[in-house]
Amino acid sequence: EVQLVESGGGLVQPGGSLRLSCAASGFILSNYPMNWVRQAPGKGLEWISYITPGSDKIYYADSVKGRFTISRDNAKSSLYLQMNSLRVEDTAVYYCAKDDTSGWYSDYWGQGTLVAVSS
Amino acid sequence: QSVLTQPPSASGTPGQRVTISCSGSSSNIGSNIVNWYQQLPRTAPKLLIYSNNQRPSGVPDRFSGSKSGTSASLAISGLQSDDEADYYCAAWDDRLNAWLFGGGTKLTVL
Repeated sequence: EVQLVESGGGLVQPGGSLRLSCAASGFILSNYPMNWVRQAPGKGLEWISYITPGSDKIYYADSVKGRFTISRDNAKSSLYLQMNSLRVEDTAVYYCAKDDTSGWYSDYWGQGTLVAVSS
Repeated sequence: QSVLTQPPSASGTPGQRVTISCSGSSSNIGSNIVNWYQQLPRTAPKLLIYSNNQRPSGVPDRFSGSKSGTSASLAISGLQSDDEADYYCAAWDDRLNAWLFGGGTKLTVL
């Protein structure tokens, strides 16, 4: 059974940093592209970042470019999101999502971890 | 503001057929496949339709997707109370090099 479990969320002050992790199980992480998607309270979904299986291609949304860094450790079956220079508007539930091998759709999502940016 | 445009709400009575539209442009829907996700209240999104009109295993055939030009649609027939959820379209944008989501449509079963 495919499982994605996010962790690392919490309350942080504006300008602070946080590192999210996504533990993958039930499949071989090294075979699949992965994404981070967030959802602000009461709002819609916003794609944040995408990484290919070998980390050779990485894309970011303009809203986080230069502040967030996606990475993965296939040997540890883990996906990461390093978030720096956090802003109040980064407050959201952050989901990791597994793509199918083509990278054209996300077939499994984690339950999310809440990041709250507030002073 | 989402680049993919969806109506904020839709509604229907049990048994009815409803459609939800998703409008984009030549750099996203016009060039690439469209996926649809369902988000039930207080849960993570779930893949509902991929590659414009394909259903993952386990998704009832009451759900169908289509695409024409720079627009796509999700149709739900035989509406059930369990279908109350938020529905999102998504497409890759070649100009932005980014995945785009529609703003979401809240479906209410009356």
